[in-house]
Amino acid sequence: NAGVTQTPKFQVLKTGQSMTLQCAQDMNHNSMYWYRQDPGMGLRLIYYSASEGTTDKGEVPNGYNVSRLNKREFSLRLESAAPSQTSVYFCASRDRLYSGANVLTFGAGSRLTVL
Amino acid sequence: SQQGEEDPQALSIQEGENATMNCSYKTSINNLQWYRQNSGRGLVHLILIRSNEREKHSGRLRVTLDTSKKSSSLLITASRAADTASYFCATEGGSEKLVFGKGTKLTVNP
Repeated sequence: NAGVTQTPKFQVLKTGQSMTLQCAQDMNHNSMYWYRQDPGMGLRLIYYSASEGTTDKGEVPNGYNVSRLNKREFSLRLESAAPSQTSVYFCASRDRLYSGANVLTFGAGSRLTVL
Repeated sequence: SQQGEEDPQALSIQEGENATMNCSYKTSINNLQWYRQNSGRGLVHLILIRSNEREKHSGRLRVTLDTSKKSSSLLITASRAADTASYFCATEGGSEKLVFGKGTKLTVNP
């Protein structure tokens, strides 16, 4: 199984450009998440989707939009990139190990640099 | 704001020694999880402990949870160079969201 696949792995943008990070999972998980990781900040939740057709804001949603295209795919869009969005982005999906528990499976990450 | 705070921020030990990392959190939780991240990679789930549990073991990992102190610890026994990684605690409080701390960077020297 591929698990959670993110594309692209690396991207350099200029300020004001737009781009979409793609994420797909093949584990039939219901919930999907986008986190960003910055040095010294740990992981911060941007958006999540509890099920197909629903999305909710996390801790740092400003400057981002998401689309839950179907059960497998959850994309993150930067409409007008800013240097503050330089980060490593992780997509994750949820495996229900125990009733009511969230155990996340992560992708390998997408490193984005905004100049 | 982030829920969990790991301590120490960085830890350097020799192979064979035990490594202990701590996590403190602020609000009530349903469960607490530990993840590992190797350099340049995604996070990998290690172990989950529920709020009504006090201790769990998985191989060389031992996790404790003290809900009265809102704290957890992760013990890695007989560490190996391959254990070099960053370790994160994450808390789940009943919503769909899992909130991560800033992590402990562990270096195990051969």
